[in-house]
Amino acid sequence: GAVVSQHPSWVICKSGTSVKIECRSLDFQATTMFWYRQFPKQSLMLMATSNEGSKATYEQGVEKDKFLINHASLTLSTLTVTSAHPEDSSFYICSVRTDSNQPQHFGDGTRLSIL
Amino acid sequence: DQQVKQNSPSLSVQEGRISILNCDYTNSMFDYFLWYKKYPAEGPTFLISISSIKDKNEDGRFTVFLNKSAKHLSLHIVPSQPGDSAVYFCAAGRGGSEKLVFGKGTKLTVNP
Repeated sequence: GAVVSQHPSWVICKSGTSVKIECRSLDFQATTMFWYRQFPKQSLMLMATSNEGSKATYEQGVEKDKFLINHASLTLSTLTVTSAHPEDSSFYICSVRTDSNQPQHFGDGTRLSIL
Repeated sequence: DQQVKQNSPSLSVQEGRISILNCDYTNSMFDYFLWYKKYPAEGPTFLISISSIKDKNEDGRFTVFLNKSAKHLSLHIVPSQPGDSAVYFCAAGRGGSEKLVFGKGTKLTVNP
């Protein structure tokens, strides 16, 4: 069954809007979650590692004030794209690992379209 | 600078034949590799992995081969089925780190 639930699956909004994406781990506690972004015909690029109860670790080139990550509980991490612009339009996807010997399991992703 | 490369954006094979998807990497520090399958509008699904201490791992119709000296791995699917049609991503990681580096993917089409 599904390990990760991501919501919403698709968002269309106007430029300047802030958009929140939720990633939930199902039936297990995730101290670490990962946020990726994928542009068309490109690879999944890791944006940040979300750590429960502490600040997220951002990859080089990812603006932490633009992409706010909150991991307030062991089952929920949120990514907020603040003041979104058309260039932020992309496919955002989260993943978790149930334990260190398991591969990352991905959510179904969120298609974000900024008009 | 792409550390994981999938040079074939697409591959088309006939049902029942073998599908071979290739992946090259540049970072010799990578010590485990994974293949994910992705259908449209869904997240990637884990398929098979291999550690650098092995050169082959098999799971049913799926076999991954690793050639460390060439920094190359491949995924073999045999026999291929129409339901295998998807985008396949190669990913690599380093021991002690949970981060994965992905290739751009190869779109596999299996024709009935």
